[in-house]
Amino acid sequence: KNEVEQSPQNLTAQEGEFITINCSYSVGISALHWLQQHPGGGIVSLFMLSSGKKKHGRLIATINIQEKHSSLHITASHPRDSAVYICAVKAVGGSQGNLIFGKGTKLSVKP
Amino acid sequence: DAGVIQSPRHEVTEMGQEVTLRCKPISGHDYLFWYRQTMMRGLELLIYFNNNVPIDDSGMPEDRFSAKMPNASFSTLKIQPSEPRDSAVYFCASSLAVRKGTQYFGPGTRLLVL
Repeated sequence: KNEVEQSPQNLTAQEGEFITINCSYSVGISALHWLQQHPGGGIVSLFMLSSGKKKHGRLIATINIQEKHSSLHITASHPRDSAVYICAVKAVGGSQGNLIFGKGTKLSVKP
Repeated sequence: DAGVIQSPRHEVTEMGQEVTLRCKPISGHDYLFWYRQTMMRGLELLIYFNNNVPIDDSGMPEDRFSAKMPNASFSTLKIQPSEPRDSAVYFCASSLAVRKGTQYFGPGTRLLVL
């Protein structure tokens, strides 16, 4: 079993829909990252969080440390949101580079 | 700032050849990471450096892979000899410790070993 599981693996939505991507992990963590990989391959760090909630524009990330679960929400989705969204966790006691990655969720937003 | 710079962007080579991938981190960043991404395994950390010193190379698949960081503005990942299973996208990322770990990724090098 992977230490970081994302669901769904693939998601197709209509423009304007509210989208939720989930990430569950099985190890103790000190931080969780959400990354966005564009169709061209570039990777952008969206959020790093260790508790609560963070918001940036139409993107919201939440984390529940007790339940070992995080969600990434996209409000009023747009075709330009189409990308692969990757969850990564930094294990407790792990060094700076000890990130464990999920396999990603491929999102396609249709106009 | 130009961001993390990687070269080449694409590399096609034949099995057995030596491949060298290059990375220039964001100026002032004290951490540098090398990742590999494949369809089967997703993103994997290969090695990372702190202040030019390799800290964790446990992700390096085998002795055919080596990485160096001779100074704060340059790192290389070398594969010798290359094999078809090394075909992947190799990403370099850098971060600043005081920013608590937000990593900035380069555009990646797409490697194809025939």
